[in-house]
Amino acid sequence: DAGITQSPRHKVTETGTPVTLRCHQTENHRYMYWYRQDPGHGLRLIHYSYGVKDTDKGEVSDGYSVSRSKTEDFLLTLESATSSQTSVYFCAISGRVLVTGELFFGEGSRLTVL
Amino acid sequence: KQEVTQIPAALSVPEGENLVLNCSFTDSAIYNLQWFRQDPGKGLTSLLLIQSSQREQTSGRLNASLDKSSGRSTLYIAASQPGDSATYLCAVSKIQGAQKLVFGQGTRLTINP
Repeated sequence: DAGITQSPRHKVTETGTPVTLRCHQTENHRYMYWYRQDPGHGLRLIHYSYGVKDTDKGEVSDGYSVSRSKTEDFLLTLESATSSQTSVYFCAISGRVLVTGELFFGEGSRLTVL
Repeated sequence: KQEVTQIPAALSVPEGENLVLNCSFTDSAIYNLQWFRQDPGKGLTSLLLIQSSQREQTSGRLNASLDKSSGRSTLYIAASQPGDSATYLCAVSKIQGAQKLVFGQGTRLTINP
């Protein structure tokens, strides 16, 4: 157990509504990531964080924003959800063992945008 | 742009067989390569991580090799069991620090009793 909790685990929402997914870690890892997983595309990086208040974009960042106000929490926000953002979202952490770069993943948050 | 390919997309074998899963990547300038397992509806579990300076890593019945110059990695599973049924994903990272992994689409493995 890598000490990662994602919430909510399942959410159904309507187009145009804001949505926030939360990732909470208890392992004091420096780096945190948000990925989305879609059939035919695999896992793609949305945003990542390399410290409190330090974030950067990944491959598919359009339509998403993130915040990290504490080491243990990384929030992913969809300001105005669209149907194309229906996906399974995974949070990941790394950095406690800096040399190897091993990643640990949460259980995922399934988001459906109607 | 780094691209990662896994072949085959699906594989079904009888219990007890030894098998090999393949992963190829287009840019050989990697920092590490990781193999993950994903069960249906679950997150990813790290199986093996190979640093770019290494040639292979072993954990129990699993052995992963890396040939960076040819852009290939293989995951060898010995004496397969039904509990090994899952999707196996490989991913590469280019730098130390923030691990911006590029994933393959996975091989869905079914072990038949």
